[in-house]
Amino acid sequence: GAGVSQSPSNKVTEKGKDVELRCDPISGHTALYWYRQRLGQGLEFLIYFQGNSAPDKSGLPSDRFSAERTGESVSTLTIQRTQQEDSAVYLCASSLAGLDRGLSSYNSPLHFGNGTRLTVT
Amino acid sequence: GEDVEQSLFLSVREGDSSVINCTYTDSSSTYLYWYKQEPGAGLQLLTYIFSNMDMKQDQRLTVLLNKKDKHLSLRIADTQTGDSAIYFCAEIRAGGTSYGKLTFGQGTILTVHP
Repeated sequence: GAGVSQSPSNKVTEKGKDVELRCDPISGHTALYWYRQRLGQGLEFLIYFQGNSAPDKSGLPSDRFSAERTGESVSTLTIQRTQQEDSAVYLCASSLAGLDRGLSSYNSPLHFGNGTRLTVT
Repeated sequence: GEDVEQSLFLSVREGDSSVINCTYTDSSSTYLYWYKQEPGAGLQLLTYIFSNMDMKQDQRLTVLLNKKDKHLSLRIADTQTGDSAIYFCAEIRAGGTSYGKLTFGQGTILTVHP
């Protein structure tokens, strides 16, 4: 497929358990973003990867949240000891934007996956 | 803080025009985007405008930008029931370490009645 792929599409977990959410970006996209969308709310930025490093982790809500990216490709968002307030749709996006690409990178749109709906019971 | 704000709901009749409004606070914003989200789906880029433009038209979509008032609008002509969705405006702010990082509004739910 040519788009951003996320798995699983739905995840129900018990409070206190750990979960891993996966994102496969579009091949060749150097930038990868994780956003969270709570019910009835806008998108909340979590973390941004450029290649395999994360120059901006400012949106991670607590130290229970972590993410990594390998091979400048797949990214995993891990939530430890899940809480009910973690219930949301987690959206991944990728783009060609890059620190070395100058202003033109702003024109590179973000391509979003369909998200993982996480429900913590 | 610096926010992007939108009205939450808009209801229109099929065939009418829809206008979705957005205000932003960061004057250093470079590109401004409109995304559409249908139920259960990710976000689809509809259109974007560069901050040195006043207007952009793309088929049924017209984007107007008023930099002085930091106001962005999306007009959908001849609105169809398939246009029912949540519409997000988003901005990219110049500088910093997050090239390409978007800041989103909370979304406007557009409902189109037959």
